[in-house]
Amino acid sequence: AQSVTQLGSHVSVSEGALVLLRCNYSSSVPPYLFWYVQYPNQGLQLLLKYTSAATLVKGINGFEAEFKKSETSFHLTKPSAHMSDAAEYFCAVSVPYGGYNKLIFGAGTRLAVHP
Amino acid sequence: DAGITQSPRHKVTETGTPVTLRCHQTENHRYMYWYRQDPGHGLRLIHYSYGVKDTDKGEVSDGYSVSRSKTEDFLLTLESATSSQTSVYFCAISDPSGNTIYFGEGSWLTVV
Repeated sequence: AQSVTQLGSHVSVSEGALVLLRCNYSSSVPPYLFWYVQYPNQGLQLLLKYTSAATLVKGINGFEAEFKKSETSFHLTKPSAHMSDAAEYFCAVSVPYGGYNKLIFGAGTRLAVHP
Repeated sequence: DAGITQSPRHKVTETGTPVTLRCHQTENHRYMYWYRQDPGHGLRLIHYSYGVKDTDKGEVSDGYSVSRSKTEDFLLTLESATSSQTSVYFCAISDPSGNTIYFGEGSWLTVV
């Protein structure tokens, strides 16, 4: 069965520090992988996606993620955190399921950025 | 941003009353979805649609019905709202490849 595990429900970093949010997935088929960001009281915004092209994927707001098949991981990174990065981040995997592409979400990681 | 509009954005209703949430898209995409988001549960699929008048159940469909009479509109109805349906509801659409899903801004529903 497909699943997504995000390690750490809360991550706190200093402004300017490296951001690393961890995501591991399990999938019996080649996956499409996504990172979404949710700011308070807003919807989910697509940060980046992996669709079997380049393994290093660059997204918006300076974020990037690397697909590592051997580790079944798709960790999200940003070299230097900004206060505006404080939000909740969701990793998701999309797999064919019946008549549609089923999107399976991790539980989310809330990122706090302090001065 | 994907052209997805949800209405109402916020609603408080009483237990036992019917509620309809509307999702409108301007992208002419085939697939549309309704999710609910709850603490500790993440996002869960309620219903989805793969075309006009073609809908199917997701993982938490009990107590909900949907309709899609036009490509651009996908309605979610709570026939008789219960307190357990207090949640944030998100509409979503897929791009033409079906591989990428874009979300609306959400509808906050409180059932008292």
